[in-house]
Amino acid sequence: DTGVSQNPRHKITKRGQNVTFRCDPISEHNRLYWYRQTLGQGPEFLTYFQNEAQLEKSRLLSDRFSAERPKGSFSTLEIQRTEQGDSAMYLCASSPRTSGGAQSKETQYFGPGTRLLVL
Amino acid sequence: AQSVTQLGSHVSVSEGALVLLRCNYSSSVPPYLFWYVQYPNQGLQLLLKYTSAATLVKGINGFEAEFKKSETSFHLTKPSAHMSDAAEYFCAVSVGSGTYKYIFGTGTRLKVLA
Repeated sequence: DTGVSQNPRHKITKRGQNVTFRCDPISEHNRLYWYRQTLGQGPEFLTYFQNEAQLEKSRLLSDRFSAERPKGSFSTLEIQRTEQGDSAMYLCASSPRTSGGAQSKETQYFGPGTRLLVL
Repeated sequence: AQSVTQLGSHVSVSEGALVLLRCNYSSSVPPYLFWYVQYPNQGLQLLLKYTSAATLVKGINGFEAEFKKSETSFHLTKPSAHMSDAAEYFCAVSVGSGTYKYIFGTGTRLKVLA
């Protein structure tokens, strides 16, 4: 179990550029989540996948944001035409399938995050 | 709708003193509650979680939390603070009924004084 990994760890870009982040979840975890964390705030939910299906998107996820999880393994989060307000830490988390009971009590395991700075 | 409130964005304690970080929740269904710790420039690490088994939950690094339904609270405590406990702590509630996202509080930054 190598944990959730995210790349890159840091990204500096100019306003208007596109950026893409990658998340590799813990192997065999079927659920994958993206959160955004701004300075002094707790993480805010963006979207989540069960296997390759994107099952929920927050209204925070404007049409400039798109996330994919092809083949139910790694995931990418792309931000098009970045704005200074997109500067934040982007966190990825994964959780395992359970054999029974409520899914919502499962622990989410977080990666180290990608810190984005838009100039 | 579920929500979490963390009272006190900054808490300072002396090394060896009791740590108490407050978390109150609002939920229309029985909640699942979590405490995470975040060290600078790192992701979140689970300290402990409440999933309707025991109301007193013990976690890693000597932390524990007690679920009190009557007070809608899930405060985090540690009997004796260590310098290595300095970090940011987040309380979260898991949204049930088919949605599995966490709702996080705004966090409490713990400072430990020598």
